[in-house]
Amino acid sequence: EPEVTQTPSHQVTQMGQEVILRCVPISNHLYFYWYRQILGQKVEFLVSFYNNEISEKSEIFDDQFSVERPDGSNFTLKIRSTKLEDSAMYFCASSERLAGSSGANVLTFGAGSRLTVL
Amino acid sequence: AQSVTQPDIHITVSEGASLELRCNYSYGATPYLFWYVQSPGQGLQLLLKYFSGDTLVQGIKGFEAEFKRSQSSFNLRKPSVHWSDAAEYFCARGDAGNMLTFGGGTRLMVKP
Repeated sequence: EPEVTQTPSHQVTQMGQEVILRCVPISNHLYFYWYRQILGQKVEFLVSFYNNEISEKSEIFDDQFSVERPDGSNFTLKIRSTKLEDSAMYFCASSERLAGSSGANVLTFGAGSRLTVL
Repeated sequence: AQSVTQPDIHITVSEGASLELRCNYSYGATPYLFWYVQSPGQGLQLLLKYFSGDTLVQGIKGFEAEFKRSQSSFNLRKPSVHWSDAAEYFCARGDAGNMLTFGGGTRLMVKP
């Protein structure tokens, strides 16, 4: 069964450092997402991406965050200068399509990248 | 803002017993509703979804959920729980866009 893969599974970094989290979405999917879950809190939407541009983003996704699809297979989340409160599990997801009249998108999630900021 | 509430943070059931996990969503246009399961070290796996039509939906691993508009609920059920069902379960809603709103999750523990 096709799956979304994420690397690294766990990253520890110092406050102020840049971090890049990587994701390989399912090959025929066109829509890509990042979500995060701070320990003990809800899974929260960060950003969605389609056709090489951001289609939607949440308030959390401020200027220190960026996303990129540098080649035909990878989808990355960059945090430019990490803060303590960025410590969380970051989930990448992909879907074939967006919500439309025939139903909502069905997302396939990766296993997550746990980021710990010291 | 749309919201999803899972009232039970932890639930413990005996193996073989029935299970019901509660999910309530805030009022809005007919939502698209999902249940995901997360086992330790795994991603969020889709169990089932409701878009429209029959309000009782069947999913993988023997799970089902019933959409009740009058109660704004989408509870997940399983008639007989297996030890391998121990995991965290998330209810989520999607609206006319590509963002999912998740509930806080319910951690299920299964006693032998």
